[in-house]
Amino acid sequence: QKEVEQNSGPLSVPEGAIASLNCTYSDRGSQSFFWYRQYSGKSPELIMSIYSNGDKEDGRFTAQLNKASQYVSLLIRDSQPSDSATYLCAVTRTGTASKLTFGTGTRLQVTL
Amino acid sequence: EAQVTQNPRYLITVTGKKLTVTCSQNMNHEYMSWYRQDPGLGLRQIYYSMNVEVTDKGDVPEGYKVSRKEKRNFPLILESPSPNQTSLYFCASSLVLAAGLHGSSGANVLTFGAGSRLTVL
Repeated sequence: QKEVEQNSGPLSVPEGAIASLNCTYSDRGSQSFFWYRQYSGKSPELIMSIYSNGDKEDGRFTAQLNKASQYVSLLIRDSQPSDSATYLCAVTRTGTASKLTFGTGTRLQVTL
Repeated sequence: EAQVTQNPRYLITVTGKKLTVTCSQNMNHEYMSWYRQDPGLGLRQIYYSMNVEVTDKGDVPEGYKVSRKEKRNFPLILESPSPNQTSLYFCASSLVLAAGLHGSSGANVLTFGAGSRLTVL
């Protein structure tokens, strides 16, 4: 079982729709969770972080964390073509505080 | 401008020819790390450093060396490159990396360099 799993996609959504990206993790003691966005040919950039169960909103982005089910999700409201990118989920694992483990990413395509 | 600078951005080399990819950050970050990114495998950590003179292996350290003699620099050394090291490499830094710390303090927030695309023939 991979430590951090994401569906590779592509996930295709029409402009203006809600994009839902999911991530599951295997270490039940994981504490910090992040979503990075990576445009093709570019480096990842942080868009959201979440540490507690529930929802965290930042503009059009909402991160959701459910530690009991070991998943974290990212919702993008009013999706725009500029949101088309690969979204990477990252988790800090207990016992290895200095490691941030990434999922393989989900490619999102927002269509006109 | 706060940034992580990697060089070279692109490099084609031959098997066995030692090379160094430099990484420098100007944010006084304690934590630095190297990742490689391959299709279908995502970002995998090669080495990381919690602070000066403190380095440790990540998930895929074979064939690589690092050093952290100064806080701002964290070079990645390929002593004898092989074709399976052909990849896109990213250097990243963070104020600190520790599970449970909130990112709003700058902890656990990675700033990435622009990437170095390495081809080993």
